[in-house]
Amino acid sequence: EAQLLESGGGLVQPGGSLRLSCAASGFIFSTYAMTWVRQAPGKGLEWVSSISAAGSTTYYADSVKGRFTISRDNSKNTLFLQMNSLRAEDTAVYYCAKLRYASTSCLIDYWGQGTLVTVSS
Amino acid sequence: DIQMTQSPSSLSASVGDRVTITCRASQGISNYLAWFQQKPGKAPKSLIYAASSLQSGVPSKFSGSGSGTDFTLTISSLQPEDFATYYCQQYNTYPVTFGGGTRVEIK
Repeated sequence: EAQLLESGGGLVQPGGSLRLSCAASGFIFSTYAMTWVRQAPGKGLEWVSSISAAGSTTYYADSVKGRFTISRDNSKNTLFLQMNSLRAEDTAVYYCAKLRYASTSCLIDYWGQGTLVTVSS
Repeated sequence: DIQMTQSPSSLSASVGDRVTITCRASQGISNYLAWFQQKPGKAPKSLIYAASSLQSGVPSKFSGSGSGTDFTLTISSLQPEDFATYYCQQYNTYPVTFGGGTRVEIK
């Protein structure tokens, strides 16, 4: 069964940067697209970004476009989210999730446990 | 963007009840609809995809239906472990969007 373990969350000041990682195991990482979904405290789920299996195609929510960059290292079975120019409204638990297919059709089948990002001075 | 509207936003039910949650898309999404369950402090869990197909390991008491703009999630006989928040999500087009959630509470 797929396992996803996020890391890299923490407290950062507004305008700062953070890089999240998601270590994948239990499946052939290089053959599946991946995605990030976030959840602000007490709120619902919000899709952030997706990347194809090969890393050649990416999508971003308008709320993070130009500030966040999704990438992956298939040799290390790891997904990344580079977050720059962070704002208070980016405060959330960030979930890494596996998509069912190689393409970026955002059909999620497995979720990580999440990592908390807090943007505050 | 496609808006996903869930109803009700919360409901109270008893163990053994049959529960139905609805999800409406602001435009047609064929059957590109998924349902997730989330318990407090935990990550979401995938339940249903393609509107009516169960993810691996999900018990058959969960069922989904619908196509186009109107969808439902039904829990046939509510058990204590089913009390949670349920979300629908459309994956027909980017940006992917989620419903606001339905909290299922114990009566």
